[in-house]
Amino acid sequence: AQSVSQHNHHVILSEAASLELGCNYSYGGTVNLFWYVQYPGQHLQLLLKYFSGDPLVKGIKGFEAEFIKSKFSFNLRKPSVQWSDTAEYFCAVNARSGGYNKLIFGAGTRLAVHP
Amino acid sequence: NAGVTQTPKFQVLKTGQSMTLQCAQDMNHEYMSWYRQDPGMGLRLIHYSVGAGITDQGEVPNGYNVSRSTTEDFPLRLLSAAPSQTSVYFCASTRATEQSSYNSPLHFGNGTRLTVT
Repeated sequence: AQSVSQHNHHVILSEAASLELGCNYSYGGTVNLFWYVQYPGQHLQLLLKYFSGDPLVKGIKGFEAEFIKSKFSFNLRKPSVQWSDTAEYFCAVNARSGGYNKLIFGAGTRLAVHP
Repeated sequence: NAGVTQTPKFQVLKTGQSMTLQCAQDMNHEYMSWYRQDPGMGLRLIHYSVGAGITDQGEVPNGYNVSRSTTEDFPLRLLSAAPSQTSVYFCASTRATEQSSYNSPLHFGNGTRLTVT
């Protein structure tokens, strides 16, 4: 069965620090990859997505992610975080099996950015 | 444009009670789904639907029923609530260009916080 692993459950950074959140998935077939963000008290919003093509994808608010197929990874990065980036971040994988797709989420990484 | 609308926002139930969480979307999305969000476990798929009259189980379907009589609505029913069902429930939908390819992102509702005592 497919699964998604996020390596860090909690990350604490100071403003202007660089961010990298790890995401690995286990599935050998074709996948679509997503990062969603959930700001405090809000619902999930799409941050960025990878379907095909350039493995380095850029999303909103200066975030980017790199798909490394050989490592089954899709890590999220941001060169310089802001206090407003405090949120929970979810990696998700959409695999194609049985004719219907199911989006599987990782457990999430809670990011706290201190001013 | 309302997007995905969930009601109620908060609900407290006693063990054994039943209730229905409502979800409606006005984007003509074929695909709709229900997730539960629990601390440290991310979002887990309960049930999903790829169109009116078609539903299927997700990762954690036990204790929940769904139906999809229209494209717009996808209610989630708890027939006999249990404390283990205390969670935040999210409904989500997306466009599906074909049955085997869902590469559109999900649109989420604002969630329903359910407490079962």
